[in-house]
Amino acid sequence: DTAVSQTPKYLVTQMGNDKSIKCEQNLGHDTMYWYKQDSKKFLKIMFSYNNKELIINETVPNRFSPKSPDKAHLNLHINSLELGDSAVYFCASSQDASRDEQYFGPGTRLTVT
Amino acid sequence: DQQVKQNSPSLSVQEGRISILNCDYTNSMFDYFLWYKKYPAEGPTFLISISSIKDKNEDGRFTVFLNKSAKHLSLHIVPSQPGDSAVYFCAVKIPPSNTGKLIFGQGTTLQVKP
Repeated sequence: DTAVSQTPKYLVTQMGNDKSIKCEQNLGHDTMYWYKQDSKKFLKIMFSYNNKELIINETVPNRFSPKSPDKAHLNLHINSLELGDSAVYFCASSQDASRDEQYFGPGTRLTVT
Repeated sequence: DQQVKQNSPSLSVQEGRISILNCDYTNSMFDYFLWYKKYPAEGPTFLISISSIKDKNEDGRFTVFLNKSAKHLSLHIVPSQPGDSAVYFCAVKIPPSNTGKLIFGQGTTLQVKP
């Protein structure tokens, strides 16, 4: 009965490949987010969706594309992976975008070799 | 440029004593502040928050203090327990508040020794 789940937990891939990370929440929340935690441990927002509509799109290379098939899912597609994409990616959700409490998934550690 | 700074990367305290984690921010327009806790191999979990209309918010062993003039907030944990050992992130909600955008500090690793 995991609230926010991500798959896979670990992802090792080579430069130039295309990969996806999936996120699902079973909390009935309207808003979902993707964060990146880099090697310096900073947690930075990348995207957020509210009811399948994009509301935050930070300065992220357009190789990254979020897709929300329904409000319970927010997947992250990354094309032409680069070494600098190596990081831990966290999905999160909140009841709506005005709520302060965000529920995070366990993270996906992406390693690009 | 970091808008939210946690200048102490780590803190070690004895069980039963007080833990004080600090956070500084740069923009006086920020009006909502949060603390998250993170265990290894897990995502951050919400701990406590405070609005700029208050200077203190308490929840059990956790108290957050806000000093708006100094643009500083702190999290006090009393008494500290070994299970509190984790990374603590300070975060601010970026206006407008209806986007859900949070900016996090780089975290402080707290170790509570038995």
